[in-house]
Amino acid sequence: DQQVKQNSPSLSVQEGRISILNCDYTNSMFDYFLWYKKYPAEGPTFLISISSIKDKNEDGRFTVFLNKSAKHLSLHIVPSQPGDSAVYFCAARGSGNTPLVFGKGTRLSVIA
Amino acid sequence: DTGVSQDPRHKITKRGQNVTFRCDPISEHNRLYWYRQTLGQGPEFLTYFQNEAQLEKSRLLSDRFSAERPKGSFSTLEIQRTEQGDSAMYLCASSLRWGRSNTGELFFGEGSRLTVL
Repeated sequence: DQQVKQNSPSLSVQEGRISILNCDYTNSMFDYFLWYKKYPAEGPTFLISISSIKDKNEDGRFTVFLNKSAKHLSLHIVPSQPGDSAVYFCAARGSGNTPLVFGKGTRLSVIA
Repeated sequence: DTGVSQDPRHKITKRGQNVTFRCDPISEHNRLYWYRQTLGQGPEFLTYFQNEAQLEKSRLLSDRFSAERPKGSFSTLEIQRTEQGDSAMYLCASSLRWGRSNTGELFFGEGSRLTVL
């Protein structure tokens, strides 16, 4: 069963506009959420995270929003740049020693 | 040492052969993870170590798979009697123990791509 779901396999956005990537989860024990970015032939790199005690975390052009009641989080990128084109993975973990659980990813294409 | 390194980057083998991958984590990280990624999927957890102790194994890790981290530094992942379904990208990641890094961030290597013919 997929505990972390990214239902949009791909997203296309024009340069300068906002990109919104969505993620849903089913496990109510998850208490930390992360977004990773992956370019072809490279490993995933950490982008931004949020604890379950918060509903928003911002880092430059990247903002993550968490809605615990809906078990939903989203990543906003504004303004989007061509270099943001990559696959974005949502990941979550519970407390203690539990490993990260990843979604299937969303491929973002930012068109100049 | 600026990151996690994996070797080899690519491995092509025939079905039934054994393969071994090596991972060198970031030196101060005491946790080391192995994940597998297939086309169209996100990374799937296989196993992880804290220092030299293997603390958890996924049910994805069949008896043909074995991982070691003998001195709490580098790790190896061996696949015996490879099958075509083992073709995937094998990703290694390292981190500090939860609590010392409040992001829970994993640092990934570039992966070892296995193709089983």
